[in-house]
Amino acid sequence: DAGVIQSPRHEVTEMGQEVTLRCKPISGHNSLFWYRQTMMRGLELLIYFNNNVPIDDSGMPEDRFSAKMPNASFSTLKIQPSEPRDSAVYFCASSWLGLNTEAFFGQGTRLTVV
Amino acid sequence: DQQVKQNSPSLSVQEGRISILNCDYTNSMFDYFLWYKKYPAEGPTFLISISSIKDKNEDGRFTVFLNKSAKHLSLHIVPSQPGDSAVYFCAAITGSQGNLIFGKGTKLSVKP
Repeated sequence: DAGVIQSPRHEVTEMGQEVTLRCKPISGHNSLFWYRQTMMRGLELLIYFNNNVPIDDSGMPEDRFSAKMPNASFSTLKIQPSEPRDSAVYFCASSWLGLNTEAFFGQGTRLTVV
Repeated sequence: DQQVKQNSPSLSVQEGRISILNCDYTNSMFDYFLWYKKYPAEGPTFLISISSIKDKNEDGRFTVFLNKSAKHLSLHIVPSQPGDSAVYFCAAITGSQGNLIFGKGTKLSVKP
């Protein structure tokens, strides 16, 4: 398996523009997580899905952020409109939800909003 | 409020010596703990884990210790190697919820 695949690897956009980050989880995994990494806050969980259903989105910072998982092999994280403070590295991870299982991370998308 | 805390943002160790990375947690419902390692420009990769029913788990040079009464765990790396230089994240999970809660990480530098 190729692992968790995220695209794009880097994104530079202007403030106010819509940004869409994409994630393909590992085949067979039934849980998917979106994390954001910043210097100040470390790795923050934004939202996670189980069997394509959002379970906990309490980490989503504002209504400008939205996430979808239309099927088991694809998820998106959208920011609209984007702001400079959204600049961070966004990670997607997937796992098999069961007892004592680790999550596997993608390589991340580095977002810069200017 | 942070449920998983790594109070040391950085640690520097000489090659061949022991590295000890610490982690504290507040939620007594956590029943599984993990350590991840992260190199620059890469995603975190799983390193080692421990269930709350154990107090020690060993994998080669890496050992994780869990003290449930103190809500504390530590990662020992012996002997430390320059290739171990990375950011180490402690994470915790409750079986009922499934989401990983991470600490802010500790940057380990192993000097030759």
